[in-house]
Amino acid sequence: GESVGLHLPTLSVQEGDNSIINCAYSNSASDYFIWYKQESGKGPQFIIDIRSNMDKRQGQRVTVLLNKTVKHLSLQIAATQPGDSAVYFCAENMNSGYSTLTFGKGTMLLVSP
Amino acid sequence: EAGVAQSPRYKIIEKRQSVAFWCNPISGHATLYWYQQILGQGPKLLIQFQNNGVVDDSQLPKDRFSAERLKGVDSTLKIQPAKLEDSAVYLCASSPLRRQGAYEQYFGPGTRLTVT
Repeated sequence: GESVGLHLPTLSVQEGDNSIINCAYSNSASDYFIWYKQESGKGPQFIIDIRSNMDKRQGQRVTVLLNKTVKHLSLQIAATQPGDSAVYFCAENMNSGYSTLTFGKGTMLLVSP
Repeated sequence: EAGVAQSPRYKIIEKRQSVAFWCNPISGHATLYWYQQILGQGPKLLIQFQNNGVVDDSQLPKDRFSAERLKGVDSTLKIQPAKLEDSAVYLCASSPLRRQGAYEQYFGPGTRLTVT
């Protein structure tokens, strides 16, 4: 669901499950997308990125899928671990000519042992 | 490789006071960003520098916020006078300058500002 104020969308999973975090982006001209993980009290940490000429990119335990038709981005985390618990943000570069990122609202992932 | 450094980590001030934050980016990174992150929201860009020039400050409240990046390395962000709604985490990030396209930004730990 949509976040309002302090109420982040939350995904609760069991350790070992696969997690899917979704993000709707706003600008059809955006050419670069990135996922960040933010743990409490820390700055955002880079997870994975993808350019608009791709629809899928895989990293270690993570996969990003891009659907430009519906302006949708997803982050899949395989075999989710308690250490994956954090807030996850997607961000887009609106093809501004600079590396300017516009961040989404974030999803909290809670992994229980 | 050392990451982005920020100080202080925490600051509590009263409204109408002034405050300054400091950032040291990753060595060699030409681009430096300041973001404001209000609790429960994503970071919002305040200002972006490329070397020591400003490339985007469209969301910086210029009546009270100012930033500089002397010599194209360290940067300071100042708020004068502070308001209650300035309570947030102020994040600094840096990225290398590439020939084309956007690339990932590397974030510091942030400064948590509380205005009372």
